[in-house]
Amino acid sequence: EVHLVESGGGLVQPRGSLRLSCAASGFTFSSYEMNWVRQAPGKGLEWVSYISSSGKTIYYADSVKGRFTISRDNAKNSLYLQMNSLRVEDTAVYYCARGYNCGYWGQGTLVIVSS
Amino acid sequence: DIQMTQSPSSLSASVGDRVTITCRASQGIRNALGWYQHKPGKAPQRLIYGASSLQSGVPSRFSGSGSGTEFTLTISSLQPEDFATYYCLQHNSYPYTFGQGTKLEIK
Repeated sequence: EVHLVESGGGLVQPRGSLRLSCAASGFTFSSYEMNWVRQAPGKGLEWVSYISSSGKTIYYADSVKGRFTISRDNAKNSLYLQMNSLRVEDTAVYYCARGYNCGYWGQGTLVIVSS
Repeated sequence: DIQMTQSPSSLSASVGDRVTITCRASQGIRNALGWYQHKPGKAPQRLIYGASSLQSGVPSRFSGSGSGTEFTLTISSLQPEDFATYYCLQHNSYPYTFGQGTKLEIK
């Protein structure tokens, strides 16, 4: 069974940093592209970032480009999102999603950016 | 960027009703579209992939159609567990974009 578990969320001050993790199990992680998607309170879903199975191809939404870094460790079956220079508008539940077409999602981890 | 226009934004319906939700893409996306159901506090669940293929384990009352720029999600007979928010997602090109969502409520 596919299982994705996000962690690392929490309360952080504006301009602070946070690193999210997504632990994958139940499938061959190294064979799949991965995405991060977020949902701000009371808002819809917003795609954040993509990484290819090898990690060589990466894309970002304009809203996070230059501040967020996606990475993966296939040996540890893990996906990461390093978030720097955080803004109040980055407050959201962050989900990892498997595959180029986001077939399976984790339950999400909440990031609150507030002073 | 490709814009996805989803309608309606909210919908009030009764158990047993037939419901249709539409997504329009600002440019052609072939069949690179998925439909998702999202309940508060839970992981979004994909219902339809490739615009019209039913995800394994999803009830057959859900169906999708369309190609190019116009897509629909149909629920043939609403069940109590179907009341949720629904989103379309285009994955034809980056940045991926979602529709604004349709909140399906009980009448």
